[in-house]
Amino acid sequence: GQQVMQIPQYQHVQEGEDFTTYCNSSTTLSNIQWYKQRPGGHPVFLIQLVKSGEVKKQKRLTFQFGEAKKNSSLHITATQTTDVGTYFCAGGDDFNKFYFGSGTKLNVKP
Amino acid sequence: SQTIHQWPATLVQPVGSPLSLECTVEGTSNPNLYWYRQAAGRGLQLLFYSVGIGQISSEVPQNLSASRPQDRQFILSSKKLLLSDSGFYLCAWSAGVSSYNEQFFGPGTRLTVL
Repeated sequence: GQQVMQIPQYQHVQEGEDFTTYCNSSTTLSNIQWYKQRPGGHPVFLIQLVKSGEVKKQKRLTFQFGEAKKNSSLHITATQTTDVGTYFCAGGDDFNKFYFGSGTKLNVKP
Repeated sequence: SQTIHQWPATLVQPVGSPLSLECTVEGTSNPNLYWYRQAAGRGLQLLFYSVGIGQISSEVPQNLSASRPQDRQFILSSKKLLLSDSGFYLCAWSAGVSSYNEQFFGPGTRLTVL
């Protein structure tokens, strides 16, 4: 079956440092979504990427979708304590089903 | 605006007892509905997926089942809970016919099986 792998599992950074999490799929994806889950909360949608090689930015967050539509990354520039949480990628197939990566838990030290 | 409700928020159940978790969506029609389970500190595992009333796709063989008796109601059930069923259960919906399939998650149910 479809698998989406995400690394690293944990990342501890000093406030102001950059952060990147990576997703890789065993199959070609229709699209990929990124979610953020704060401690004790539920996942909240950040963005969706659809096109091969697509790059999208949201303030300090940059999202990329690979040319082969099998991998993706989320990069945060100059992290802040408000960035703390777990970031998930979710690979979508052609039938509106999504397979979540295991998540990267980000801790930012002030 | 659309809202999604889940209840109960927390649940502690003994092994072997039945389970019924309910999810309802307001403000949209014919949504895709999803049940996920998240073990402590882990990712989200897709359990069930539904594109319409009475249509359920199971992703993982287990002792859980799902039903969709109404367009905006999704129920997760079990006849006999196992210890391994403990986790954070999340219901989500997305637009039924759309190329932009953002999923909206409910607040979740924390289930502890003792």
